[in-house]
Amino acid sequence: DAKTTQPTSMDCAEGRAANLPCNHSTISGNEYVYWYRQIHSQGPQYIIHGLKNNETNEMASLIITEDRKSSTLILPHATLRDTAVYYCIVRVKGSSNTGKLIFGQGTTLQVKP
Amino acid sequence: GAGVSQSPRYKVAKRGQDVALRCDPISGHVSLFWYQQALGQGPEFLTYFQNEAQLDKSGLPSDRFFAERPEGSVSTLKIQRTQQEDSAVYLCASSRTLVAGGNTIYFGEGSWLTVV
Repeated sequence: DAKTTQPTSMDCAEGRAANLPCNHSTISGNEYVYWYRQIHSQGPQYIIHGLKNNETNEMASLIITEDRKSSTLILPHATLRDTAVYYCIVRVKGSSNTGKLIFGQGTTLQVKP
Repeated sequence: GAGVSQSPRYKVAKRGQDVALRCDPISGHVSLFWYQQALGQGPEFLTYFQNEAQLDKSGLPSDRFFAERPEGSVSTLKIQRTQQEDSAVYLCASSRTLVAGGNTIYFGEGSWLTVV
C-alpha cells in the first residue's frame, strides 16, 4: 500500500492561506490522493481528491506535482474553525477492489487569531 | 438524504460483555466500511461490504469482532467478550459506487466505546 508522510503539526494565522504538504513517493499510477479532516469528537470529513490534475472546490485546492510524488492542500483563507487534524491518504484498490482509505497520523493544523 | 448515522453514540460496557454497534449508511450507497480509531491515532480499517457481501475483513483484530449487513443496507458491528483494548471510536462510512478510485467516502460521527 502506498504510504504518505505529513508533518506532525502546523500553525497558521487566521485569514491567511494554510498550505499542508504531503509526500507519497510510492504512489501508483491509478491511485488517487484524498484529503480528509477530523475535528475533535467528529467523524472524518471529506475535503477533496485528485488523480493527476490540480483540483479546486468550495473548501480547498489540491496541487499535485507532475511526478505525483507529493501534493499540497491549500485552504485559501483559514478560519479558527479549520483547526483540525488533516489526513492525506492514497486510496488503494486492495485485493477485492475495496478502495479502502488507509489513514496515517495526519497533520494537526492550529489556526491562531 | 441524511448522512451516515451511527448508534449508540456512546456506549460503556463492562469487560466481558457483548456489544452491538449499528450503522445506517446513506440511502442507496453500495459500499460500507467500518473503522476503529483509538485515542490520538488515525482511523484503522476493519472491514468492507459491497451490498450484503463482506469482501474484505482483513482489519478485524480478532475473532471476537464480527460484522454483518444482511440486506445490503444497515450494518452491525458486534464485539464479543469485550476487553479494555477494544475501547475506541468505531466509525462507519459509505460510498455510492462499487469501483475504487474517484468516488467520495462519507463517514458517520462514530460510536464511542469504553470498556471498564
